[in-house]
Amino acid sequence: GQSLEQPSEVTAVEGAIVQINCTYQTSGFYGLSWYQQHDGGAPTFLSYNALDGLEETGRFSSFLSRSDSYGYLLLQELQMKDSASYFCACYNTDKLIFGTGTRLQVFP
Amino acid sequence: SAVISQKPSRDICQRGTSLTIQCQVDSQVTMMFWYRQQPGQSLTLIATANQGSEATYESGFVIDKFPISRPNLTFSTLTVSNMSPEDSSIYLCSVEQMGTGELFFGEGSRLTVL
Repeated sequence: GQSLEQPSEVTAVEGAIVQINCTYQTSGFYGLSWYQQHDGGAPTFLSYNALDGLEETGRFSSFLSRSDSYGYLLLQELQMKDSASYFCACYNTDKLIFGTGTRLQVFP
Repeated sequence: SAVISQKPSRDICQRGTSLTIQCQVDSQVTMMFWYRQQPGQSLTLIATANQGSEATYESGFVIDKFPISRPNLTFSTLTVSNMSPEDSSIYLCSVEQMGTGELFFGEGSRLTVL
């Protein structure tokens, strides 16, 4: 089977840095994606790692270690608007399977 | 990028009835994906809809319960049949930006079954 595990909830204060981890088990692996979803909204794409290492996009960075079946999303300089659910996801052949999701709450 | 329109955005239905959700994309795409997201949960793939062939269903989902149509490269429908309160969920349509690993989602259809 295929599974992607994440912590259920993370809390932090404005301006802080937070890391959301994702460990996965999959029979075939093509890369790890991250999505953000605000309450009542649709998921939106944040990043994609096909290779090991760190990808940086503004305040958000994503890391992948294929040998460890592990990745993380790093959010820096947290803002209140970053309060949302975050999902890692990976492809199983041609379909995207989502992780369990992490709810991030940012406090003033 | 792709713009996806889904309707209805929400509906309240009676047990035993059926509801059809429509998904319209502003560009031609090969595959369309239907996901379900129960309150506070992650996204679960229901099926993949390919134009000109039957949809491919994931484990736990069957065609009789969730029939899907894909009449052309920009449109698909998902029907939730013989609904029960357990079908109360958000149903999301999505398409892939080829080669990028990125999925675009419609705004979702929030279904409440009484």
